[in-house]
Amino acid sequence: DADVTQTPRNRITKTGKRIMLECSQTKGHDRMYWYRQDPGLGLQLIYYSFDVKDINKGEISDGYSVSRQAQAKFSLSLESAIPNQTALYFCATSDLSGELFFGEGSRLTVL
Amino acid sequence: AQSVSQHNHHVILSEAASLELGCNYSYGGTVNLFWYVQYPGQHLQLLLKYFSGDPLVKGIKGFEAEFIKSKFSFNLRKPSVQWSDTAEYFCAVNGDNYGQNFVFGPGTRLSVLP
Repeated sequence: DADVTQTPRNRITKTGKRIMLECSQTKGHDRMYWYRQDPGLGLQLIYYSFDVKDINKGEISDGYSVSRQAQAKFSLSLESAIPNQTALYFCATSDLSGELFFGEGSRLTVL
Repeated sequence: AQSVSQHNHHVILSEAASLELGCNYSYGGTVNLFWYVQYPGQHLQLLLKYFSGDPLVKGIKGFEAEFIKSKFSFNLRKPSVQWSDTAEYFCAVNGDNYGQNFVFGPGTRLSVLP
């Protein structure tokens, strides 16, 4: 089983709909991240959390919100999806060594 | 703001050719440096990392990278590529003032022809 699990893996939705992407991890790491990947832009940080009570905005947080329900769970929400949020979303965790461990990704298409 | 640049958007090589992918970053303080690889349809995986010590680091699958502090560079190399190395490669930097966040380069797509 994967150490970092994302659901759903693929989702097609319509403009204006609310979408939640979920992430769970079994690595026991305190630090969790949500990234967005667009072709030619690399990965951009949306939100990050260093523990259950710590939530921080990344470089592209507008239009997104997160919830850290437990050490192992970190969810990303799009309250009202728009087409330019069509992208591949990755959840990741890291330990104190600084290495990132990624989930399999969630491909979101907003029509 | 900190930034990471990668020299090539798309590199095409034949099997057995040598590979060098460039990476430069803009931050002058203490940094941790990483190369991640993303095979088609898969998530990112760590190839190698540099925290301190010997500036020439060896990673998995025969890859290595050299940290040159004076050039703010961390180039990835492999002496002889294989078709299975076809993937996208991302350089990433985690600086001591990044709040433990990572800045990724835009990626270099490598296509290896059989």
